[in-house]
Amino acid sequence: SQQGEEDPQALSIQEGENATMNCSYKTSINNLQWYRQNSGRGLVHLILIRSNEREKHSGRLRVTLDTSKKSSSLLITASRAADTASYFCASEETSGSRLTFGEGTQLTVNP
Amino acid sequence: GAGVSQSPSNKVTEKGKDVELRCDPISGHTALYWYRQSLGQGLEFLIYFQGNSAPDKSGLPSDRFSAERTGGSVSTLTIQRTQQEDSAVYLCASSLMGAGGTQYFGPGTRLTVL
Repeated sequence: SQQGEEDPQALSIQEGENATMNCSYKTSINNLQWYRQNSGRGLVHLILIRSNEREKHSGRLRVTLDTSKKSSSLLITASRAADTASYFCASEETSGSRLTFGEGTQLTVNP
Repeated sequence: GAGVSQSPSNKVTEKGKDVELRCDPISGHTALYWYRQSLGQGLEFLIYFQGNSAPDKSGLPSDRFSAERTGGSVSTLTIQRTQQEDSAVYLCASSLMGAGGTQYFGPGTRLTVL
């Protein structure tokens, strides 16, 4: 199956620093969703940005979307140790309802 | 309110046996999805239900995999004659309306085929 790409694959920062993760996708989309996963189990939904939106904020999260470049970024400001997790982007194609996931970024926030 | 629930949380089976995985979506959500996550393949789509019908089952990897949904609610994913490559975490998600909506995921079922 087609997978999006995320970079970096792994990111290690200190508490209080900002973390930026990037995502690219391949097709036309309805929206792009970001998820967090702890311990390889359930995915926690963070934010959804629609194809006609360019930027969205939720608390310490800021997401941007550039449909011309087929890319998105997730910024976590003032990071905390509890933000340590894997982060995935997932694009919903215009052709259907399925999500196509990126490979994920493993974020480690050191106290 | 209650989120998506899945059972069992862990399943260990022997190669060749059949397994059934269950998903209870968020009440009122019309769309239900199955995905699986494995080390080699990442997160991949399996099947999508809108109500009780499956307009997209293109992600099912072989005819050993099947799924059904009854009453517009509970869904069961069945894997027949399990193989070691079926070992993965199987994730279920539901969405209020389907396309364009947020998908909320359950905790997953970790399947290990010995």
